[in-house]
Amino acid sequence: DAKTTQPPSMDCAEGRAANLPCNHSTISGNEYVYWYRQIHSQGPQYIIHGLKNNETNEMASLIITEDRKSSTLILPHATLRDTAVYYCIVRVGRTGTASKLTFGTGTRLQVTL
Amino acid sequence: DTGVSQDPRHKITKRGQNVTFRCDPISEHNRLYWYRQTLGQGPEFLTYFQNEAQLEKSRLLSDRFSAERPKGSFSTLEIQRTEQGDSAMYLCASSSSGGHSTDTQYFGPGTRLTVL
Repeated sequence: DAKTTQPPSMDCAEGRAANLPCNHSTISGNEYVYWYRQIHSQGPQYIIHGLKNNETNEMASLIITEDRKSSTLILPHATLRDTAVYYCIVRVGRTGTASKLTFGTGTRLQVTL
Repeated sequence: DTGVSQDPRHKITKRGQNVTFRCDPISEHNRLYWYRQTLGQGPEFLTYFQNEAQLEKSRLLSDRFSAERPKGSFSTLEIQRTEQGDSAMYLCASSSSGGHSTDTQYFGPGTRLTVL
């Protein structure tokens, strides 16, 4: 699986959009971009994933560049409860065999009043 | 779906003791994964099952570690002769490879192990 690069930390004011970048310049054509977050002392929570098109769900939006070498997770209206470590992971999509998740150190997002 | 559950949530043990953790995946998820997370690091893959078959093991999984999924439903992770370096959060995840699923992994709350 391709490696990812994320900034170690970011701050965001409550109510503003949080834009979390991720670089994955060695991504392969069959690899998806997944985002998880982990609130202190809890298990990772799935947020969203995509292959090449932009995706949106009730939690966030995922913007993937046309060359697929980078992506941005957008939390449109950050709240204090969004304070967490956000992990960008690249992995092969559903295939005959499972694909483990390779976590980096993620981006620690601090949402402030 | 009731989500992935893990038991116990916390375990404190003395060095040299054996411990066993349980994971109940989301019902009908055929794939089950174990990860370990130490302080300040992201989770690291340990092993995974498809149904009852253990198909991949990380080199992190020493011979003191054993995992089972006897009936393709719940799984257990046992650590024998625990060491202080085993202190970590042990995370379980499950996914489905069937139908139109995307094999997205969903995690449980984890079991925090402290070895004294």
